[in-house]
Amino acid sequence: SYELTQPPSVSVSPGQTASITCFGDKLGDKFACWYQQKPGQSPVLVIYQDTKRPSGIPERFSGSNSGNTATLTISGTQAMDEADYYCQAWDSSTPVVFGGGTKLTVL
Amino acid sequence: QVQLVQSGAEVKKPGASVKVSCKASGYTFTGYYMHWVRQAPGQGLEWMGWINPNSGGTNYAQKFQGRVTMTRDTSINTAYMELNRLRSDDTALYYCARGGVGATGWFDPWGQGTLVTVSS
Repeated sequence: SYELTQPPSVSVSPGQTASITCFGDKLGDKFACWYQQKPGQSPVLVIYQDTKRPSGIPERFSGSNSGNTATLTISGTQAMDEADYYCQAWDSSTPVVFGGGTKLTVL
Repeated sequence: QVQLVQSGAEVKKPGASVKVSCKASGYTFTGYYMHWVRQAPGQGLEWMGWINPNSGGTNYAQKFQGRVTMTRDTSINTAYMELNRLRSDDTALYYCARGGVGATGWFDPWGQGTLVTVSS
């Protein structure tokens, strides 16, 4: 079965750029999206179709997907961005799969 | 606005069944697939399957096949997920999430989650 691997944790200083990676075999040939989940809340979509931002998601969130790695980048990270982030990948032949999640700490 | 509202928390004994509902509003219920995802305490997201509200067709993750049933009632824009033969490791938050017009794609929005606790 297809697997997605994320680092368990990433730390960033306020105002700096945070990069969260998601690794999967030929992931760049599939579509990827990202969810933000704050404690006690449901996941929220922050990036879809590799690079697109839903309405209401700040411009500081961006995504890329190439080769074996999808990346979520948060520019000018704010304290409110501290959360768990999950990647998800799909194509016509891949069942839904999530990465294990990355805890982003802003310190 | 698009909204998914789930039923309340449940406490069940091992071996019992649970049925969680997810009422959709703000969009055409039959136009989008509905997915179910669960999250055990302190753990990540686990996809359980989807239902096509238009046709009633379903696709379940292999792990849950034979134990899960997803249904819908289009007259009240509500999807259901029933899990049978509950075990203690089924204790989790269960989410419904709207998918796309096809079986694949991203999920947006998600319901508020339903906590299912399995304990003797």
